[in-house]
Amino acid sequence: AQSVTQLGSHVSVSEGALVLLRCNYSSSVPPYLFWYVQYPNQGLQLLLKYTSAATLVKGINGFEAEFKKSETSFHLTKPSAHMSDAAEYFCAVISNYGQNFVFGPGTRLSVLP
Amino acid sequence: DAGVTQSPTHLIKTRGQQVTLRCSPKSGHDTVSWYQQALGQGPQFIFQYYEEEERQRGNFPDRFSGHQFPNYSSELNVNALLLGDSALYLCASSSVGLGTQYFGPGTRLLVL
Repeated sequence: AQSVTQLGSHVSVSEGALVLLRCNYSSSVPPYLFWYVQYPNQGLQLLLKYTSAATLVKGINGFEAEFKKSETSFHLTKPSAHMSDAAEYFCAVISNYGQNFVFGPGTRLSVLP
Repeated sequence: DAGVTQSPTHLIKTRGQQVTLRCSPKSGHDTVSWYQQALGQGPQFIFQYYEEEERQRGNFPDRFSGHQFPNYSSELNVNALLLGDSALYLCASSSVGLGTQYFGPGTRLLVL
C-alpha cells in the first residue's frame, strides 16, 4: 500500500526566500507523484506531476519538484517566495493510473513580509 | 471549458439526517472520485465511479453511497449523519487511463 509523509505541518519563509516543502512516499511499485495547492476555502489545484519521464518536473507559478528514487522523495521547491504562495500544499501518490490518490497530511506555507 | 463543479457550496444538517452532494466532471472526463477532507487534514478517498459503477472504495462505512449518471455526473449520499461527518467534500474527475485528477471547489458540510 502506498503512503505519503510530509515533514513539517507548517513552514514559514520570508518573501523572496527559498521555499522547500518535503514529501516522502512509500510504494511497492514505481509511483506517480503529484503536488496540489489549496487556497483557503477552495478546492485543490494541480501544481505539477511526475509520471516516470524527467525526474525534475516544472509546474505552475515557478514551482518545481525532483523525484529521487533512492531517497523515495519528491520535494517541492521555489527559488523565491511570493506572498501569494501562502496556502496549504499536499503531496499525493498513486501506483497506477486509475487508482485512488493517497494524500499526505499537508504543509501550510506562510510567507512573511 | 468548465472545470469540475459541485453543489451546494455549503450545507448545514443535524445528526441523523441524510444529505446528497452533487458533482459535474470536467468536460471530456468519465471518472469521478470523492474525497472527505476534515479540518486540518489531507483528503481521504471515499470511492470512485466509472461507467456508472463503483470501481474502488476507501475505508468508509456503508452510510456513504454514491451514484454516477450516464452524463458522468455523480452524487454522494450520506445517511444517518454523525458530527464527525462534518468536513469539506471534494469531487475530482479524470479520464480513464490517465492519472491526473482535477478537483472541484468542494462542498462544506456542517453537522450539528
